[in-house]
Amino acid sequence: AQRVTQPEKLLSVFKGAPVELKCNYSYSGSPELFWYVQYSRQRLQLLLRHISRESIKGFTADLNKGETSFHLKKPFAQEEDSAMYYCALGYSSASKIIFGSGTRLSIRP
Amino acid sequence: NAGVTQTPKFRVLKTGQSMTLLCAQDMNHEYMYWYRQDPGMGLRLIHYSVGEGTTAKGEVPDGYNVSRLKKQNFLLGLESAAPSQTSVYFCASRPGTSGNYEQYFGPGTRLTVT
Repeated sequence: AQRVTQPEKLLSVFKGAPVELKCNYSYSGSPELFWYVQYSRQRLQLLLRHISRESIKGFTADLNKGETSFHLKKPFAQEEDSAMYYCALGYSSASKIIFGSGTRLSIRP
Repeated sequence: NAGVTQTPKFRVLKTGQSMTLLCAQDMNHEYMYWYRQDPGMGLRLIHYSVGEGTTAKGEVPDGYNVSRLKKQNFLLGLESAAPSQTSVYFCASRPGTSGNYEQYFGPGTRLTVT
């Protein structure tokens, strides 16, 4: 069965420090992976998807099929990065998405 | 475009009461979804629809019913609310076109069942 694991409920780093939010998945097919972000009092929105290999707001994520991981990284954290981050796996021809339990990122000044 | 909207924003129910949550989208999207968000559990899919007149069960469908009579609307019903259904409910939609799997979310409905 498909599963998405985010091992950290809370990650707190200082402004300017590197950030890595971990995500591991379990899926027998070819995965479609996403990172969604939810800022305080805002709706969930797509941050990036592995298929587009883009960098959004300085964040990148590389799909590692050998380690079944899709970690989210940013070299220098900014205070406005504080938010809830969800890793997600698309399956069933991506008609459905399963979300991880989320990691709350807190950037300290 | 308003995107995805949800009505109401907040609601308090007593155990056993019923209610319907409305999700509307103006992007002509084929797929629509209902999720619940609980602390420490992320978002879990309740029901979804791949087109007007169709619905399917998700991960946690028990206690909920849905209908998609019009393409732009997706209704979530609770026939007899229970305290375990206290949660934040999110609706989402996405195009049916292949390769575009991004889901667009509504602002959420906070439901408390006492």
